[in-house]
Amino acid sequence: EPEVTQTPSHQVTQMGQEVILRCVPISNHLYFYWYRQILGQKVEFLVSFYNNEISEKSEIFDDQFSVERPDGSNFTLKIRSTKLEDSAMYFCASSDLEQYFGPGTRLTVT
Amino acid sequence: AQKITQTQPGMFVQEKEAVTLDCTYDTSDPSYGLFWYKQPSSGEMIFLIYQGSYDQQNATEGRYSLNFQKARKSANLVISASQLGDSAMYFCAMRDGLGDDKIIFGKGTRLHILP
Repeated sequence: EPEVTQTPSHQVTQMGQEVILRCVPISNHLYFYWYRQILGQKVEFLVSFYNNEISEKSEIFDDQFSVERPDGSNFTLKIRSTKLEDSAMYFCASSDLEQYFGPGTRLTVT
Repeated sequence: AQKITQTQPGMFVQEKEAVTLDCTYDTSDPSYGLFWYKQPSSGEMIFLIYQGSYDQQNATEGRYSLNFQKARKSANLVISASQLGDSAMYFCAMRDGLGDDKIIFGKGTRLHILP
């Protein structure tokens, strides 16, 4: 069964450093998303991506964040200068009506 | 604006019993989709079931069924014959439109299955 994959599963970084979270969506899906879940809280939408451009972004998705589809399979989320409050589980998802989530990357900013 | 409400922060259920997890929603869009996801302690988000607003029948997937009551804006998840492995956090979520828009999530219900 096709699935969304994410790497790394866990990333520890120092405040101010750049991180890139990687995702491989399901191959025939056209819509991609990033969500985050701060520990113990609900899942929050960050950004959606279609046809090589951002289709919608939330207030959380400020200038520190960017997304890219560098090739035909990968979808990345970059955080330019991490802050302590960026510590969270980051989920990638892809959709063909039903939205499937990857296993998540746990980001810890120290 | 969209809103998802899950009123049960936690539930304890005896193994093999059926369990109903409550979810109500609010939207002004006549076209929408409703989702349930399971999040075990390992953290991944597992898709369980989907119901479109124009679907005539309640969605079912194995032991999961979605009790869709459109007039009441209710989308409860029913798990039949619960198992110990069903212990997890369960999130109700919705999407405005039937396309590929973002999903908004409820706060979740933590389900504990007792042996």
